[in-house]
Amino acid sequence: DIQMTQSPSTLSASVGDRVSITCRASQSVNAWLAWFQKKPGKAPRLLIYKASTLEVGVPSRFSGSGSGTEFTLTISSLQPDDFATYYCLHYNGASRTFGQGTKVEV
Amino acid sequence: EVRLVESGGGLVQPGGSLRLSCGAFGFTFNKYYMSWVRQTPGKGLEWVAKITDDGSEEVYVGSSKGRFTISRDNAKNLVYLQIDGLRVEDTAVYYCARDWLVGGTGPAFEIWGQGTMVTVSS
Repeated sequence: DIQMTQSPSTLSASVGDRVSITCRASQSVNAWLAWFQKKPGKAPRLLIYKASTLEVGVPSRFSGSGSGTEFTLTISSLQPDDFATYYCLHYNGASRTFGQGTKVEV
Repeated sequence: EVRLVESGGGLVQPGGSLRLSCGAFGFTFNKYYMSWVRQTPGKGLEWVAKITDDGSEEVYVGSSKGRFTISRDNAKNLVYLQIDGLRVEDTAVYYCARDWLVGGTGPAFEIWGQGTMVTVSS
């Protein structure tokens, strides 16, 4: 199975900061990579799919880049509502794998 | 409205079994793969299983092979997750998610249920 390694596991930031989260795949997933925001008690929210396509309704401060084995989620100017845990997910081929998650905190 | 609604969670003793259900509303169910994802307390998301649109193929994460069975009923717009031999470490919130649109190029995993809690304890 493809393994997804996400870093950092925790990220301390302030409102207005530009933050980036990296996800590395153990083998190429082409562009079949999604990013999610997860808050306690809520279902995951899709932010980015196909590595760089912004899901409808997601603010443009979120962006994704990369292909193959290395991917990045960037929040250009962190807002109070963005403090949450973020996960990458590969959906290439038969199986799927989440990264371990990155908690963005104050 | 496009939505998924899970049910079937609860408190189960170790070694027991449970069948989770997920009802799909507002979209053409038989054109989509469906997945189950879980989140154990204080930990991350874990993809558990996937089933193709016609139910012909099931794929499981390594740790769930043998005890988990995913199935679907396209006539009733339902997807199921049967869990046998439940262990304390299976305690989690279980989500169903709309996976891949067959032949599509758009998003996947954009629709999720609200989750159903499974607690395994004696």
